[in-house]
Amino acid sequence: GQNIDQPTEMTATEGAIVQINCTYQTSGFNGLFWYQQHAGEAPTFLSYNVLDGLEEKGRFSSFLSRSKGYSYLLLKELQMKDSASYLCAALDSNYQLIWGAGTKLIIKP
Amino acid sequence: NAGVTQTPKFRVLKTGQSMTLLCAQDMNHEYMYWYRQDPGMGLRLIHYSVGEGTTAKGEVPDGYNVSRLKKQNFLLGLESAAPSQTSVYFCASSSEISGANVLTFGAGSRLTVL
Repeated sequence: GQNIDQPTEMTATEGAIVQINCTYQTSGFNGLFWYQQHAGEAPTFLSYNVLDGLEEKGRFSSFLSRSKGYSYLLLKELQMKDSASYLCAALDSNYQLIWGAGTKLIIKP
Repeated sequence: NAGVTQTPKFRVLKTGQSMTLLCAQDMNHEYMYWYRQDPGMGLRLIHYSVGEGTTAKGEVPDGYNVSRLKKQNFLLGLESAAPSQTSVYFCASSSEISGANVLTFGAGSRLTVL
């Protein structure tokens, strides 16, 4: 079956760095997405990786290893506004998105 | 630019009642989707559409119907609501279905079925 695993909850300190991991098992693979979702709001797009390696976008970076079925989202210089859930989703061979349950990130002052 | 608009934002139904959720997008996107989001679970696709006049079943279609009579609108109907359909429903749209098909989501509709 198809499956996405990511930690349920993580806590980090303002100004620090946090890495949110995601492992996936899908029928075929056409890319890996990260979305941010603040409580009570809609998910918003953060990043897309289809090739191995690191993609950097400001304070956020996303990494992909296709051979390991693994991705991570790296958040630097954490701010209180980064408190949110982070959703990992993989695009399978039929171009259907398989979603993880999300990682709730709590930022403490 | 409104993006994706969902109505209503909140609704309480009794078991057996029917209702329709409306999704409208102003980005001229071909693809539209209805998801439900439940605690501890990933987003689950209910139905989707690859263009005006087309619909297709997703992962959890039972108990729901959809229509896409106009390109900008995608309606989700519940004919006979059940407590298991208590959830937050998100509509989304995208300009493509392959590769980097970035989804733009609506703000969500919270439905409670008593």
